[in-house]
Amino acid sequence: DAGVIQSPRHEVTEMGQEVTLRCKPISGHNSLFWYRQTMMRGLELLIYFNNNVPIDDSGMPEDRFSAKMPNASFSTLKIQPSEPRDSAVYFCASSFRPTYEQYFGPGTRLTVT
Amino acid sequence: DQQVKQNSPSLSVQEGRISILNCDYTNSMFDYFLWYKKYPAEGPTFLISISSIKDKNEDGRFTVFLNKSAKHLSLHIVPSQPGDSAVYFCAASGLTGGGNKLTFGTGTQLKVEL
Repeated sequence: DAGVIQSPRHEVTEMGQEVTLRCKPISGHNSLFWYRQTMMRGLELLIYFNNNVPIDDSGMPEDRFSAKMPNASFSTLKIQPSEPRDSAVYFCASSFRPTYEQYFGPGTRLTVT
Repeated sequence: DQQVKQNSPSLSVQEGRISILNCDYTNSMFDYFLWYKKYPAEGPTFLISISSIKDKNEDGRFTVFLNKSAKHLSLHIVPSQPGDSAVYFCAASGLTGGGNKLTFGTGTQLKVEL
């Protein structure tokens, strides 16, 4: 079975542009998580969904960030407008609740210039 | 507020020796703990876990120890191999925060030298 799929793997954009990151979770998993990794803060949970419903978005840094999960096999994380401080690696992970083990995608490295 | 702390950003060990990675937590509601390994340009991969009803869990070369009274857990790798060189993240979960949400530490870079 394929793991968690993320696209694009790398994104370079200019400040002010809209950025959309995509994630396909493992088939059958009912929880999906978006994380951001930076040197200073490590792995931060941004938002997570259970059965396509957002449960906790307290980690979303600002209103510029939004996430959707229109169905069980797809989720997006959007940043509009993007800023240089958004530069980081963004990971998507999925799990089968109620187990705790999460399976991570390869990440999207975002660079905002 | 960092609820899961890994105070050693890096660790260097010789091949064949034991690697001990440490993790401390502050939230007494955490009841499940995990270790993840991360190679450059890849996502973290699950390594081993332990429930709060146990104090030890072993899987091959990897053993996790949990000391609930000290709110401390550690990962032992023995013998260490060069392929173990990676960043190791400790994570915790519990009934607070909604089911299977994980809180991660900042990671420890392990380097296993020949």
